Amino acid sequence: GIQVEQSPPDLILQEGANSTLRCNFSDSVNNLQWFHQNPWGQLINLFYIPSGTKQNGRLSATTVATERYSLLYISSSQTTDSGVYFCAAAMNRDDKIIFGKGTRLHILP
Amino acid sequence: EAQVTQNPRYLITVTGKKLTVTCSQNMNHEYMSWYRQDPGLGLRQIYYSMNVEVTDKGDVPEGYKVSRKEKRNFPLILESPSPNQTSLYFCASSFLAGVLGEQYFGPGTRLTVT
Repeated sequence: GIQVEQSPPDLILQEGANSTLRCNFSDSVNNLQWFHQNPWGQLINLFYIPSGTKQNGRLSATTVATERYSLLYISSSQTTDSGVYFCAAAMNRDDKIIFGKGTRLHILP
Repeated sequence: EAQVTQNPRYLITVTGKKLTVTCSQNMNHEYMSWYRQDPGLGLRQIYYSMNVEVTDKGDVPEGYKVSRKEKRNFPLILESPSPNQTSLYFCASSFLAGVLGEQYFGPGTRLTVT
């Protein structure tokens, strides 16, 4: 099945900094999502982005399906951005969604 | 408001006492699934359902049961819970059958089995 790898595993930044999180996948995907798990454990949908680029406020994401990666950009980080960011991917209709191990982001005030 | 709800949010129980975690979605989604999340192991799928009366095992189905009698509900049943089922559980749903749609997650249920 498809493999999903995220980097870096951990990231510590000062408030106001920008960051780029990466998700590599081993095969073509028809489903690629980014989630934020906040310190209370809730999984928040950020982007559904099997291809192309999307933006939502300070966050944006780009998936280059032909090169098998997706990037999540966070600009002007805030302490509320802290948590774990997951990407999840699937190839086909009947496949399971595979989650990466996540990037733990800690924004210092 | 479109959402996936789970109840209870927190539960502490004892070994062997049957329990049910409910999951409901109000988005008319066809696909629903259950995950558990454990430190170092990430999110693992327990069971999923493509539609009413259709359920299939995920990666870690042992010790769990599910049913899908109605489109909106997908309860997770632990017939005889054991301490190794202590975990954070998530229900998820998607409009399209299968995995080709955006997944929406419930708020999570933190279960402790003593």
